[in-house]
Amino acid sequence: EPEVTQTPSHQVTQMGQEVILRCVPISNHLYFYWYRQILGQKVEFLVSFYNNEISEKSEIFDDQFSVERPDGSNFTLKIRSTKLEDSAMYFCASNPRDRRTDTQYFGPGTRLTVL
Amino acid sequence: AQTVTQSQPEMSVQEAETVTLSCTYDTSESDYYLFWYKQPPSRQMILVIRQEAYKQQNATENRFSVNFQKAAKSFSLKISDSQLGDAAMYFCVVTGANSKLTFGKGITLSVRP
Repeated sequence: EPEVTQTPSHQVTQMGQEVILRCVPISNHLYFYWYRQILGQKVEFLVSFYNNEISEKSEIFDDQFSVERPDGSNFTLKIRSTKLEDSAMYFCASNPRDRRTDTQYFGPGTRLTVL
Repeated sequence: AQTVTQSQPEMSVQEAETVTLSCTYDTSESDYYLFWYKQPPSRQMILVIRQEAYKQQNATENRFSVNFQKAAKSFSLKISDSQLGDAAMYFCVVTGANSKLTFGKGITLSVRP
């Protein structure tokens, strides 16, 4: 069964460094999302992406964040200058046709640790 | 704006017994979808069950079923014949026209052998 994959599984970085988190959505899916989960807290929406542009973003998704679909298969989240509070689990999700009615399928997550 | 409230942080159930996880939500949308996602210790987010708000019939998926009370904005999950593998964090989730998922805080379910 096709699944969403994410790399790396764990990323450790120094404060102020740039990180790129990678996701490969399910191949026939058209809508893509990033969520984050700070340890012990609820999962929060970051951004949705369709047709090579951002559909919606949350207040968390400030100028330090960007997303890209560089090659038709990967979907990346870049954090330009990481802060300690960016430490979290980052989940990528995708769904196939109708972004609202179809289920979002999640990747296994990338644990980001900012030191 | 949408909100999801899961007021119980933890629950425990004996293996083979039935447990119900409660959830209430609030949304201004007339058409929306509700989900329960499971997150085991591996942190993978797994869909358990989904309910379309326009459907009156409660969704079922094998041992999992929901009690959807639209007027009360309540969406509880019932797990029958609980198994050790059901131990996980369970999130109640709502989505609307903008497609983003709004999660509750989650409830940790433990299963006693």
